[in-house]
Amino acid sequence: GNSVTQMEGPVTLSEEAFLTINCTYTATGYPSLFWYVQYPGEGLQLLLKATKADDKGSNKGFEATYRKETTSFHLEKGSVQVSDSAVYFCALSSGSGGSYIPTFGRGTSLIVHP
Amino acid sequence: KAGVTQTPRYLIKTRGQQVTLSCSPISGHRSVSWYQQTPGQGLQFLFEYFSETQRNKGNFPGRFSGRQFSNSRSEMNVSTLELGDSALYLCASSLGELRGETQYFGPGTRLLVL
Repeated sequence: GNSVTQMEGPVTLSEEAFLTINCTYTATGYPSLFWYVQYPGEGLQLLLKATKADDKGSNKGFEATYRKETTSFHLEKGSVQVSDSAVYFCALSSGSGGSYIPTFGRGTSLIVHP
Repeated sequence: KAGVTQTPRYLIKTRGQQVTLSCSPISGHRSVSWYQQTPGQGLQFLFEYFSETQRNKGNFPGRFSGRQFSNSRSEMNVSTLELGDSALYLCASSLGELRGETQYFGPGTRLLVL
């Protein structure tokens, strides 16, 4: 079956530091890959996505590249802010017949200090 | 466009009771998925409804059930509540038809079972 593995947190950084959150996956076929973010007290919201190999998703300074050869989709940001403190979820979606329920990783908590 | 709404936002029940949670998807979305989020297990898929039919089901006992109405609104029911059912219940909507679709999450219903 499909699975997503994320690095365990919490990841604690100072403001303006470089961020990497690792994500690797196992899936059949050619999945779509996602990063979702969950701020305290809220539901998840899409941060970025990529639907085919070598695609780069980007949003709000975050980037991730779909690497089929290493089955990875690592999240990066060059300079984090306190407001980036949240839980980040890597997810994949694959299937057929109109049914594409995503599989989520366990989430990685990011804490950014001023 | 209004987002996904969930009611109620908070709920306190006692063991043995039953509970019904409601989710209104984004207009035009026909797929509604439900997830249980706990610190120990992370985000776990409960089930998905598409056009009033359950299309996918996760690995939860039969005490967890759901339904979807013709306007795509969905309800989730948990009978004979157990302490371990305390969690944040998230619903997510999407068109339900395309590969690589984004799921749009509601803010969740936080259920506490005493």
